[in-house]
Amino acid sequence: QKEVEQNSGPLSVPEGAIASLNCTYSDRGSQSFFWYRQYSGKSPELIMFIYSNGDKEDGRFTAQLNKASQYVSLLIRDSQPSDSATYLCGGTSYGKLTFGQGTILTVHP
Amino acid sequence: DTGVSQDPRHKITKRGQNVTFRCDPISEHNRLYWYRQTLGQGPEFLTYFQNEAQLEKSRLLSDRFSAERPKGSFSTLEIQRTEQGDSAMYLCASSRTDEQFFGPGTRLTVL
Repeated sequence: QKEVEQNSGPLSVPEGAIASLNCTYSDRGSQSFFWYRQYSGKSPELIMFIYSNGDKEDGRFTAQLNKASQYVSLLIRDSQPSDSATYLCGGTSYGKLTFGQGTILTVHP
Repeated sequence: DTGVSQDPRHKITKRGQNVTFRCDPISEHNRLYWYRQTLGQGPEFLTYFQNEAQLEKSRLLSDRFSAERPKGSFSTLEIQRTEQGDSAMYLCASSRTDEQFFGPGTRLTVL
């Protein structure tokens, strides 16, 4: 079992819709969780982080964390074609950040 | 505001050669990380420094890989006797807290 698993993609949504990206983790010692966006050929870009159970909102992005279920999600509201990218979920434990395999999101006009 | 920089951006080498990559972190960041990423996969942790101390090294890292961070500033990652399986994007990240910021990466191709 991988330490961090993301919902299999690719995910395709129409422009203006909500995109939902999910992630589960196996290490209960994981303390912080991150969502990175990675455009093709580029390096990962941090878009959201969450440490506590519940929701965290930043503009069109909402991260959700449920430590009891070992589940992290990212919602993107009003999806735009520029949101088309690979989204990486990661969790840290004592400084080490472990990523999932990524979910490819395509937002079509 | 200067982000994380990496040099070179691309490296093509022949199997068996040694290569060295450099990473310059964001200036106030005391933590520095190296990752490797292959196509279709998330970045894979290689090693981690806090200041000049190497605190963790992945079990996946063979003895051919070595990293240094003299004086807690820039870091180098060396791969000795490269193999075709080493072809990947090598990413460096830095942080002051848990939030890591990535450099542009060095793409290594081993022929």
